[in-house]
Amino acid sequence: EAGVAQSPRYKIIEKRQSVAFWCNPISGHATLYWYQQILGQGPKLLIQFQNNGVVDDSQLPKDRFSAERLKGVDSTLKIQPAKLEDSAVYLCASSGPGGYGYTFGSGTRLTVV
Amino acid sequence: KNEVEQSPQNLTAQEGEFITINCSYSVGISALHWLQQHPGGGIVSLFMLSSGKKKHGRLIATINIQEKHSSLHITASHPRDSAVYICAVPSYFGNEKLTFGTGTRLTIIP
Repeated sequence: EAGVAQSPRYKIIEKRQSVAFWCNPISGHATLYWYQQILGQGPKLLIQFQNNGVVDDSQLPKDRFSAERLKGVDSTLKIQPAKLEDSAVYLCASSGPGGYGYTFGSGTRLTVV
Repeated sequence: KNEVEQSPQNLTAQEGEFITINCSYSVGISALHWLQQHPGGGIVSLFMLSSGKKKHGRLIATINIQEKHSSLHITASHPRDSAVYICAVPSYFGNEKLTFGTGTRLTIIP
């Protein structure tokens, strides 16, 4: 079974530039999550989708971060403009009902210089 | 909101040793996750368990729902087991959003 696919694997950008990450969840998983993991810390949930609807985006910095999951399958997370403190690994995960089959992608490591 | 504590924070052991990592949480849960993260790598889900014990290869995970405690064991540890092991639980009972422990950094010396 294919896992959660994420791209790109690495990205280096200058501050104030924009960047986008892509995630394709496991087929059939209705719930999709974007997490931010700053070096040395545990992952922090940015946004949770149920199909194409947002369940929780309470910790998403909405002035610069946006995410969408238009067809209820793959998703994009965008940062515009990026700040130095956005340097982190951005993890996508998906799960079935009740969190069954919770699976993480390999992440995108973002460095803002 | 669930609080998660892991111990130890760091663990160094010789190859072949039996490893135990502990996780405690504060609120009743539907399931607990054990995750593995290699340096610079993504997160791999090792176990999701709601009761009893699960085994996969040299890895064993146990959970005691009454005591709100789980352990991850590694038998015959190997240098390739060196990674950060993270315990995660739903933030609220029945919620899929996870709260993560701070992780245990395991180093296995050949």
